[in-house]
Amino acid sequence: NAGVTQTPKFQVLKTGQSMTLQCAQDMNHEYMSWYRQDPGMGLRLIHYSVGAGITDQGEVPNGYNVSRSTTEDFPLRLLSAAPSQTSVYFCASRGTEGNSPLHFGNGTRLTVT
Amino acid sequence: AQSVTQLGSHVSVSEGALVLLRCNYSSSVPPYLFWYVQYPNQGLQLLLKYTTGATLVKGINGFEAEFKKSETSFHLTKPSAHMSDAAEYFCAVRGGAAGNKLTFGGGTRVLVKP
Repeated sequence: NAGVTQTPKFQVLKTGQSMTLQCAQDMNHEYMSWYRQDPGMGLRLIHYSVGAGITDQGEVPNGYNVSRSTTEDFPLRLLSAAPSQTSVYFCASRGTEGNSPLHFGNGTRLTVT
Repeated sequence: AQSVTQLGSHVSVSEGALVLLRCNYSSSVPPYLFWYVQYPNQGLQLLLKYTTGATLVKGINGFEAEFKKSETSFHLTKPSAHMSDAAEYFCAVRGGAAGNKLTFGGGTRVLVKP
């Protein structure tokens, strides 16, 4: 009963490096999303997808790219890491019913030095 | 744009006392409403979700929330706090002007004193 799986759990990058945060879900959910969590700011939506091949920007998309080639996977790419991207990143998915709740992964803690 | 306001970023309660966490949303159309809990170093877990037509919604761990359309509120309560309730709580809203995106409040961290 895996749910939403995120890897890695921790990552340290130097400014300018790139990396991909992985997210996979096994619940056949069409909707997937990425949030970042920063102290005092709650969770802010970065990008989301309503199905394979469809992605859209959220509240804070700059500096991040996503793609959705399969229903199961929704990776988040940092093209050129900046210290402002130091945060905890959460991937989440949900079903299509109106009040379907989001199911969250356990997060990736990213530090950019 | 849809907004969610949680009053108080930190709440301190004594063990056995009432827990009350406030959430107000801005929407002319009742949206989908949720409360999540986050324990240290973990992801968010669903506590409860609003069901259309209900005024009182029961969730896990003894929590419940009251929906008041006239006040655009969805406050979370628990009659008797337990040490294990120490966590951060988030109110979230989907629907209305925000469409299908889930918008979170800023969170309320609950400290339970013995």
